[in-house]
Amino acid sequence: DVKVTQSSRYLVKRTGEKVFLECVQDMDHENMFWYRQDPGLGLRLIYFSYDVKMKEKGDIPEGYSVSREKKERFSLILESASTNQTSMYLCASRQGGWDTQYFGPGTRLTVL
Amino acid sequence: AQRVTQPEKLLSVFKGAPVELKCNYSYSGSPELFWYVQYSRQRLQLLLRHISRESIKGFTADLNKGETSFHLKKPFAQEEDSAMYYCALASGGYQKVTFGIGTKLQVIP
Repeated sequence: DVKVTQSSRYLVKRTGEKVFLECVQDMDHENMFWYRQDPGLGLRLIYFSYDVKMKEKGDIPEGYSVSREKKERFSLILESASTNQTSMYLCASRQGGWDTQYFGPGTRLTVL
Repeated sequence: AQRVTQPEKLLSVFKGAPVELKCNYSYSGSPELFWYVQYSRQRLQLLLRHISRESIKGFTADLNKGETSFHLKKPFAQEEDSAMYYCALASGGYQKVTFGIGTKLQVIP
């Protein structure tokens, strides 16, 4: 069974703090993704990575950066957290082709 | 640019009634389309994908390239079908995956 884990289920940070969200997958997948999930807005793609050290911007990359130093780990970084980044963050991995995405449990981030 | 449109945020049906969750997409190439489901307090998970042409939990979806649609259907709704449903499109050399805003299906007993 594919497992995608995220470092925290709940996180509370203050405006201006630097925030790291970690995601680890154990199935040697090539592709990894970060989404944010907001009511009425669905899942919006922030960044994705198709290989180690490779990344592509998604639809809403502003205010975020990512890091993929190892194949199994994909980090989302909020350089200076703002209140409008309060959201549920979902990580996913996928091999590619017709493969499905496998999602982590999500991190609910609150920025005060 | 690729886009997925789910026109209904909420769909309420009675138990035993037919269900159709709409999904339209915009993409110039050959898309890969998926339906994902999220039950209360659970992870987002795959329901079905168009390449498999399968029926999962009684749901089916047919890709209509002419209408650029991938609607999800079930002939008789069950209470356990109540959940959020997301349509997704995978495309491009880098395999970008884009989701719609989701439709909340509420099955009324």
